[in-house]
Amino acid sequence: DAMVIQNPRYQVTQFGKPVTLSCSQTLNHNVMYWYQQKSSQAPKLLFHYYDKDFNNEADTPDNFQSRRPNTSFCFLDIRSPGLGDAAMYLCATSRDLNLGGGQPQHFGDGTRLSIL
Amino acid sequence: GQNIDQPTEMTATEGAIVQINCTYQTSGFNGLFWYQQHAGEAPTFLSYNVLDGLEEKGRFSSFLSRSKGYSYLLLKELQMKDSASYLCAGLDSNYQLIWGAGTKLIIKP
Repeated sequence: DAMVIQNPRYQVTQFGKPVTLSCSQTLNHNVMYWYQQKSSQAPKLLFHYYDKDFNNEADTPDNFQSRRPNTSFCFLDIRSPGLGDAAMYLCATSRDLNLGGGQPQHFGDGTRLSIL
Repeated sequence: GQNIDQPTEMTATEGAIVQINCTYQTSGFNGLFWYQQHAGEAPTFLSYNVLDGLEEKGRFSSFLSRSKGYSYLLLKELQMKDSASYLCAGLDSNYQLIWGAGTKLIIKP
């Protein structure tokens, strides 16, 4: 049973047209993360929520925003997608921020975003 | 700066053994994770090491040497389904994950 669910799996949008990616979780985890991953590259953390506390990575462009209306759902909004934003977007959860002790992150299957 | 280095690609034969190396430089250290990622799919957790030594889980083992800033993932009795990317990620003093770009493992019959 999928525990971190991302919709849609594939998303095509036009250059400059806003797009929203969604993530839901059934794990009741406190932390939700959004990563951007380009081909053969490391996942790049965009931001995370600890409960309702939002934490933006310093180098995440302003074009990327996020919402977490409740524990289960988190959204990634790209306000004006550029060609460089084409990537796989991964949502992940963890019980706590402290990953010490081997607490893993649980990932969704990702949304592959294409920009026309 | 913080950095994770691992080979870009490796090839191995079905039934054989392969070792994927990872070196890390992090500000402080709170452990090292290995994840498996099949093409177009989510990374899945394989192992975590925080103390020196070898952790064995079935066909997969992971080793850590903190003094050398070095880890490896050992895969035995390789199967075709093991073809995937293997991501090494270090946990720094702020419990931030520093990810490597992954090693693409190709298994040949």
